[in-house]
Amino acid sequence: TQLLEQSPQFLSIQEGENLTVYCNSSSVFSSLQWYRQEPGEGPVLLVTVVTGGEVKKLKRLTFQFGDARKDSSLHITAAQPGDTGLYLCATHSGTYKYIFGTGTRLKVLA
Amino acid sequence: NAGVTQTPKFRILKIGQSMTLQCTQDMNHNYMYWYRQDPGMGLKLIYYSVGAGITDKGEVPNGYNVSRSTTEDFPLRLELAAPSQTSVYFCASSYNRVSGNTIYFGEGSWLTVV
Repeated sequence: TQLLEQSPQFLSIQEGENLTVYCNSSSVFSSLQWYRQEPGEGPVLLVTVVTGGEVKKLKRLTFQFGDARKDSSLHITAAQPGDTGLYLCATHSGTYKYIFGTGTRLKVLA
Repeated sequence: NAGVTQTPKFRILKIGQSMTLQCTQDMNHNYMYWYRQDPGMGLKLIYYSVGAGITDKGEVPNGYNVSRSTTEDFPLRLELAAPSQTSVYFCASSYNRVSGNTIYFGEGSWLTVV
């Protein structure tokens, strides 16, 4: 069973700071997705990365897929309070299952 | 657009009681999932279905059952509720199993077993 480990588990930063969160596995990903979950809601897809070394940008968020497709990172530039939430990576495991990482809970203080 | 709809939103159960969490989607998705999320944690897959009449176990299936009689509906049954089943439950769906397909989530069902 493929496991997705995310780090750090918790992160509290001041508005305007930069941060990076990581998603790692011992197995190769076919693809990887990043979701954000706000309190009281279900996760919402941010991005999908498919190719090793791929970099995608979504406004102040930069997503990178490792060359070997075993890890991924999410970098947020100049964090804002609206970025607060739980960030989850997810991938396809086996034939039909999507599994999620352990999550990084981010709090951005104004 | 309704998307994925779950009911109830909140429920308190006594130990040993049973209940069904309802889930329906109006996107004609083949794949449906039930996840649980414990406080401050990620999502654990309970059961999933690849189409009507086909279901399979996920990572944490013990204490739960599912059925998929139609494409739209995927109810989750809790038998003999235990405190360890206190959690937030999310139903989700996706169109197909092609890598990178978007999973759409419901708003969650908060369950407390006392």
